[in-house]
Amino acid sequence: QPLLTQPPSASASLGASVTLTCTLRSGYSRYTVDWYQQKPGKSPRFVMRVDARDVVTPKGDGIPDRFSVLGSGLNRYLTIKNIQEEDEGDYHCGADHASGSSVVWVFGGGTKLTVL
Amino acid sequence: EVQLVESGGGLVQPGGSLRLSCAASGFTFSAYTMNWVRQAPGKGLEWISYITSSSSPIYYADSVKGRFTISRDNARNSLYLQVNSLRAEDTAIYYCARQMVGATIFDYWGQGTLVTVSS
Repeated sequence: QPLLTQPPSASASLGASVTLTCTLRSGYSRYTVDWYQQKPGKSPRFVMRVDARDVVTPKGDGIPDRFSVLGSGLNRYLTIKNIQEEDEGDYHCGADHASGSSVVWVFGGGTKLTVL
Repeated sequence: EVQLVESGGGLVQPGGSLRLSCAASGFTFSAYTMNWVRQAPGKGLEWISYITSSSSPIYYADSVKGRFTISRDNARNSLYLQVNSLRAEDTAIYYCARQMVGATIFDYWGQGTLVTVSS
């Protein structure tokens, strides 16, 4: 079972809200997760970090207030309110994870968000 | 303005090698941990390597361990990735990513350089 799991796709109508989910593997409920936005043809951009309860760091540069996060149990949520066309793209969650004597970073498979 | 500009990608035959570079500007490069992250066509992100400001420690993903080597030259504000014994599954866009001070967040990313492994 992967450390992080994301549904492959999501959609929402212009002006509506959508919540994207990143699910941690059982037993990893204390992990913090980072959200990254990747618009079509562009490189990823940091959105926010979230732990089991709330935001751990401020938003990334240029991320609007319409974006918020929440953590609960094994789930880490990214909510986008008043969705705009510019929000369309792929959203990746990632986490660092101790592996033996080193550290590795793991990403979920990404969720493709379509704005209808 | 923080800028990361990758170069060195291209078409290479299986078993071949390349040296990828990432030129940094707009910040004190020598103070930051850096990473390489790749993305195969139509796929998700895959972290592949990490290097601290002092070049120790260094970490690699299992998928590239023994074939890829990360390094940096703080005097030249540059990050490198030597990629050897390339396989078809290494075909991807390779991004360099800066790590936020005091956190394991990738706060800035380059535009990427495409490596295509094919005969």
